[in-house]
Amino acid sequence: DIVLTQSPALAVSLGQRATISCRASQSVSISRYNLMHWYQQKPGQQPKLLIYRASNLASGIPARFSGSGSGTDFTLTINPVQADDIATYYCQQSRESPPTFGGGTKLELK
Amino acid sequence: EVQLVESGGGLVQPGRSLKLSCLASGFTFSNYGMNWIRQAPGKGLEWVASISSSSSYIYYADTVKGRFTISRDNAKNTLYLQMTSLRSEDTALYYCAREGLTTEGIKGDWFAYWGQGTLVTVSS
Repeated sequence: DIVLTQSPALAVSLGQRATISCRASQSVSISRYNLMHWYQQKPGQQPKLLIYRASNLASGIPARFSGSGSGTDFTLTINPVQADDIATYYCQQSRESPPTFGGGTKLELK
Repeated sequence: EVQLVESGGGLVQPGRSLKLSCLASGFTFSNYGMNWIRQAPGKGLEWVASISSSSSYIYYADTVKGRFTISRDNAKNTLYLQMTSLRSEDTALYYCAREGLTTEGIKGDWFAYWGQGTLVTVSS
């Protein structure tokens, strides 16, 4: 299985940029497709899709969220961070079955 | 508006069975692959099973293979997960999730919409 590694937590100040990383144990890219996706989960809520295929903003997601990366290294950026963005963020790969998730990065206020 | 509503969770003894349901609305259910994903208390997300739109393709995580069965009834807009031989490590919030769709109308293996989950607790 492809293992996705995320830092457990990231402290950020409101109005600043947050950069959340996800590293895969092997490439999750096929030709021009980067098969990494990002989700936001707030306490007591279901996950919500933010970004699909590394850089495509999901419907209804604010433009302060963006994604980048290819191969094994991917980044979710939130700029500027707002109070409503305090949550846990998960990456997920669909390059190989089974689909796997990172352990999650909890975004905290500094 | 896409809605996914899970039901069927509860407290069950180890070794027993339970069947979860997920009622879908707001989209053409028969056109989309569906998934079950679980989250143990305080833990991360684990994909459990997936089923294609016409039930032609079914996949399971190794941790549940041979014990869980995913199925769907497109006439009823409902996804199911039959769970047997339940273990304490199956205790989790179980979500159903729909596969994704690009702006160009191409389906993809990400989870675009999630239900609110149904809690399964396996304990004696």
